[in-house]
Amino acid sequence: DAGITQSPRYKITETGRQVTLMCHQTWSHSYMFWYRQDLGHGLRLIYYSAAADITDKGEVPDGYVVSRSKTENFPLTLESATRSQTSVYFCASRDKNWDQPQHFGDGTRLSIL
Amino acid sequence: AQRVTQPEKLLSVFKGAPVELKCNYSYSGSPELFWYVQYSRQRLQLLLRHISRESIKGFTADLNKGETSFHLKKPFAQEEDSAMYYCALSLSGSARQLTFGSGTQLTVLP
Repeated sequence: DAGITQSPRYKITETGRQVTLMCHQTWSHSYMFWYRQDLGHGLRLIYYSAAADITDKGEVPDGYVVSRSKTENFPLTLESATRSQTSVYFCASRDKNWDQPQHFGDGTRLSIL
Repeated sequence: AQRVTQPEKLLSVFKGAPVELKCNYSYSGSPELFWYVQYSRQRLQLLLRHISRESIKGFTADLNKGETSFHLKKPFAQEEDSAMYYCALSLSGSARQLTFGSGTQLTVLP
């Protein structure tokens, strides 16, 4: 669905650098999520947000920071990138109604050298 | 703690053969289960959810609470079904976060 976009699609950086992955949705969904996808682990939740200025940790939050100053944006920042953070990152959003499923972005493939 | 297990990392079947992708879960709350599909280098797409009891692209899945399973089935596999399939469990909190299994890569051979 074109309603959720992630940028960049691909990123290569070095250990110790700060990198920010962007996620933008046009549906005005209340909930937004960040996952990382790794072989053998499937997708694991990093952080999620219920609304602007409300964020909470998921299963693997260490080394990541999020913010949500506007409903439509949910950036994910790696403050000091490590090689173990090389992964594919997916953003998702969901309407506040309980029976609505999550919708995913195209993903960002991040390589840390 | 909740857990979703997909025991097969890889599954190959021939075109026209039946296919079953296994999913087992453990969760103390009331489970809501999904199947998501990811075609090569594309975004995850919702395939099925147990509450809707739909058949999408010929796939069906039944929630078996006694066996804590939500296996995905299709009677006649097609080559275009080749993809990564993820089973996911929605937690009962307001955010309804998803816990994913590790995925099964399905290859349908000609």
